[in-house]
Amino acid sequence: AQTVTQSQPEMSVQEAETVTLSCTYDTSESDYYLFWYKQPPSRQMILVIRQEAYKQQNATENRFSVNFQKAAKSFSLKISDSQLGDAAMYFCAYSPYGGATNKLIFGTGTLLAVQP
Amino acid sequence: DGGITQSPKYLFRKEGQNVTLSCEQNLNHDAMYWYRQDPGQGLRLIYYSQIVNDFQKGDIAEGYSVSREKKESFPLTVTSAQKNPTAFYLCASSNPGTADYGYTFGSGTRLTVV
Repeated sequence: AQTVTQSQPEMSVQEAETVTLSCTYDTSESDYYLFWYKQPPSRQMILVIRQEAYKQQNATENRFSVNFQKAAKSFSLKISDSQLGDAAMYFCAYSPYGGATNKLIFGTGTLLAVQP
Repeated sequence: DGGITQSPKYLFRKEGQNVTLSCEQNLNHDAMYWYRQDPGQGLRLIYYSQIVNDFQKGDIAEGYSVSREKKESFPLTVTSAQKNPTAFYLCASSNPGTADYGYTFGSGTRLTVV
């Protein structure tokens, strides 16, 4: 069974600094998607970034980028120039590619605090 | 704007009572999902549906039921058999196999047993 592990329950970063959130996953599939979702205090789940496993290039979205290491099954999120609005719970998630199901499997989350 | 609407935002259930959480999407997505969120446990899948009139149990389906009579709607009923229903419930939809594949979430329903 596929699993997603986030080993950092809480992280803290100073405003304008860079922080990296860790995520590892386990799967026997070769094709899949990986996601980072942000959940602010409003509890709305917001897609931060998406990575297709067949793409070697790491995905980037403005200040957010990932370090995707397929062989190591690692998918970390780097937030550059951290802002107060980045404070939230961050979830790493895995989804198989195609097939009969596309359910999203989540890690337990990392609570990020941004210090002014 | 396209999106997912969950209602109500807050719901209170008495012991032994069934309650239904509403989830409607206008994204024309084929697949819909229900997740339960508890502190420290991330999101756990309750039920999902890939197509109208078909749905599958997720990891924690006991005590819950769903229907998918319309593409746009995927209501979740929390039955009296669910012994610990107090949680935050999130509905999501997706369009698997498309270039912009990803999940869109509703704003959630907070269910409390009173």
